[in-house]
This record gives sequence, C-alpha cells and structure tokens, in this order.
Amino acid sequence: EDQVTQSPEALRLQEGESSSLNCSYTVSGLRGLFWYRQDPGKGPEFLFTLYSAGEEKEKERLKATLTKKESFLHITAPKPEDSATYLCAVQGHSNSGYALNFGKGTSLLVTP
Amino acid sequence: DSGVTQTPKHLITATGQRVTLRCSPRSGDLSVYWYQQSLDQGLQFLIQYYNGEERAKGNILERFSAQQFPDLHSELNLSSLELGDSALYFCATGGTDTQYFGPGTRLTVL
Repeated sequence: EDQVTQSPEALRLQEGESSSLNCSYTVSGLRGLFWYRQDPGKGPEFLFTLYSAGEEKEKERLKATLTKKESFLHITAPKPEDSATYLCAVQGHSNSGYALNFGKGTSLLVTP
Repeated sequence: DSGVTQTPKHLITATGQRVTLRCSPRSGDLSVYWYQQSLDQGLQFLIQYYNGEERAKGNILERFSAQQFPDLHSELNLSSLELGDSALYFCATGGTDTQYFGPGTRLTVL
C-alpha cells in the first residue's frame, strides 16, 4: 500500500530564514509526486508535479526536488504570506484512475 | 481560482439525514475526484468518475455514493449521516498530471 509521511508536522520560521520540508514515500511504481499549498478552510492549490528522481522544479521562493525515496520542498527567504499547510501526494501506477494519496502535511508559519 | 466550483459552501445537518454535494469541473475536464478531509485522517480519496463512468474507488463508505452527469458535473450523496462524517469535502478535476481542487463543502453533522 502506498504511504506518504511528511516532516516536520509544524515549522515556524522567521522571515528570510530558509528551510526544507520533507516528504518520504513508498509506492508501487511512482507515476508522479505532487506538492500542494493549502490555506485554512480552502482547497489545496497545485504547486508542482515531479516524475523522476533528480527532477527539480521552481516557483518563486519554492523549489521541489525528488529522489527515489523522498521529496523536499525548499523554501528560500520565506515571507509571512508563505504561511500555509504544504501537502505532498503520490500517484502510483497501481492506482487505477490516478487518485492521489496524500501525507498529513507540514504546517508552516513564517513570522515577520 | 482553480475554475472548479462546489456548492454549497457550508452544510449543517443532523445525524441520520442525507445530503448532496455538487461539483462543476473546469471546462474540458472529464475526470472528477472526490476527497474527504478530516482533522485526524487528513485528505483521503473517495471516488473518481471519468466521463460519466466510475473509474476508481478509495475509502468510500457504503453510505456514500456519487454520480457524474452528461454535462460532467458530479454529485456526492451522503446518507445516514453520523457525527464522524463531519469534514471538508473537496472535488478535484484535471488530467493525469494535475488535479485542481475546488473550494470545498464544509459538512457539519450535529
């Protein structure tokens, strides 16, 4: 069964203090690894899809990387508006219909 | 704005009742996925429809059912509601490489 574990559960950063969020996964045949941002009471907002080990994608202050066992979301010089919960999900070849299997998320708070 | 719409935004009902949640996909999207998000379980896949046909099932209870109509909107029906069904319900639409989530329906069962 596919499993996704995110760490830490919560992270507090000062504005400008760079850090990384971790997503460890086990899946029978990775089709894609997804990162989403979710604000309280809102729907998840798509950030990235990664497909193979070594792949990297960037968007503003965020960079996602992928290995065969884990993915990192690097946040460079974060701002208070980056505060949100970041969700990681895997899509396996065994999942018919391409459903996503989510981790429980990392809650990020960036203080001024 | 993801382009996915869900109604209603909030729903408050009593145990034992039945409710229907509605999702309209982005223009051109044939797939609709339903997810449930609760505090203890996180975001969990319930069911997927593709162009009117059921494609995949996840952790969906027998009390729950869904359908997708010819205009591609989808409805999630929840019956014999229990306190533990209180959660946020999201639909997502898109292709195989990206799923765009709607704003969700918050269901409160009293």
